[in-house]
Amino acid sequence: AQSVTQLGSHVSVSEGALVLLRCNYSSSVPPYLFWYVQYPNQGLQLLLKYTSAATLVKGINGFEAEFKKSETSFHLTKPSAHMSDAAEYFCAVSAGDTGRRALTFGSGTRLQVQP
Amino acid sequence: EADIYQTPRYLVIGTGKKITLECSQTMGHDKMYWYQQDPGMELHLIHYSYGVNSTEKGDLSSESTVSRIRTEHFPLTLESARPSHTSQYLCASSGSGTSVRETQYFGPGTRLLVL
Repeated sequence: AQSVTQLGSHVSVSEGALVLLRCNYSSSVPPYLFWYVQYPNQGLQLLLKYTSAATLVKGINGFEAEFKKSETSFHLTKPSAHMSDAAEYFCAVSAGDTGRRALTFGSGTRLQVQP
Repeated sequence: EADIYQTPRYLVIGTGKKITLECSQTMGHDKMYWYQQDPGMELHLIHYSYGVNSTEKGDLSSESTVSRIRTEHFPLTLESARPSHTSQYLCASSGSGTSVRETQYFGPGTRLLVL
């Protein structure tokens, strides 16, 4: 079984401040981990993914995430928030059998960026 | 960049009507998925397909049905729409085999409102 917990349904930061969105996972097998972003009235866009290579993963728009097995975490960070970063962010884990590999999503974190 | 399309983007329909949500991808992906997302909530897998003539139910029970007659096409059908079906439906696809191709690419979604 696999699951994802995103701590904080809403996060508010000032423009230029550090962004930290938390994600913890549970998986009985080595997981693949993903962060997606969803802008209003749009589908999901992949930000970055961890697939058992480097533990620090860099994604689009200046985001990065670090896989920490000991903490079962995959937190998303960005050094300096921009107004355009305001969106819903979803962490997801894929750890099913090879044939399926469906994603299990967290409940999402809505990021607000204050001017 | 991923090419996955969903139509219609928005649909308002009366109770009891039959509806089909279309999803097409031009990437030749083997796997396709349907997720249901209520406003402000996480995504729940309702259907998935490994390939042509292969479909299975997802984690969340749904009264909808799907078919996979062609690789690129994965329509979702509701025989008799009800207000409880009001939600956003997101289609996704992924390749198979290597980890690099495990990423799921999402369409823009269909927002369904059943009156």
